[in-house]
Amino acid sequence: ETGVTQSPTHLIKTRGQQVTLRCSSQSGHNTVSWYQQALGQGPQFIFQYYREEENGRGNFPPRFSGLQFPNYSSELNVNALELDDSALYLCASSGGQRDTQYFGPGTRLTVL
Amino acid sequence: GEDVEQSLFLSVREGDSSVINCTYTDSSSTYLYWYKQEPGAGLQLLTYIFSNMDMKQDQRLTVLLNKKDKHLSLRIADTQTGDSAIYFCAESIGNNDMRFGAGTRLTVKP
Repeated sequence: ETGVTQSPTHLIKTRGQQVTLRCSSQSGHNTVSWYQQALGQGPQFIFQYYREEENGRGNFPPRFSGLQFPNYSSELNVNALELDDSALYLCASSGGQRDTQYFGPGTRLTVL
Repeated sequence: GEDVEQSLFLSVREGDSSVINCTYTDSSSTYLYWYKQEPGAGLQLLTYIFSNMDMKQDQRLTVLLNKKDKHLSLRIADTQTGDSAIYFCAESIGNNDMRFGAGTRLTVKP
């Protein structure tokens, strides 16, 4: 059974640029959630995708957007990057909307 | 309050028991979770407890839940140096959200 994978591992961008992060869900899982973890803090919920539809969103601006594909993999897009967007971005997959979430290793984004 | 609260640091000797405490916010949370994060890594699910239980044991891990006080604890028996990590408490919110604490950094000294 393949776990949750994310790419890339690390990324450096400059302020104002756009970024796309990718996540492959665990085999058999149809739900993907994205979290932002700033240094020294716990993860903060960005949004969740269930069967290709956004299914809940945390307190993040519209420049954070996402997609889920028919194979249940997902992308997180962030436009107009700000310095405060520097963080570890975590993807988690689950077998359903309220099921236990299993996390990937994360993508560390640095915005200069 | 609106935050899941945990103490930030805990230091124990190898072989001792560790107890990490957490206060959560939502009395209607269905599940409560403990995750472990090692440096530079993602979150590893350690264990979870359903809200209608008051205790769950899984090998060296014991979770205690006090719903009245909204208090959750994780006890690690016979703590090893490999247990050194950050431990996050999390509660399920609504249909899809999880709310995490800031994490407790556990240091195990030889």
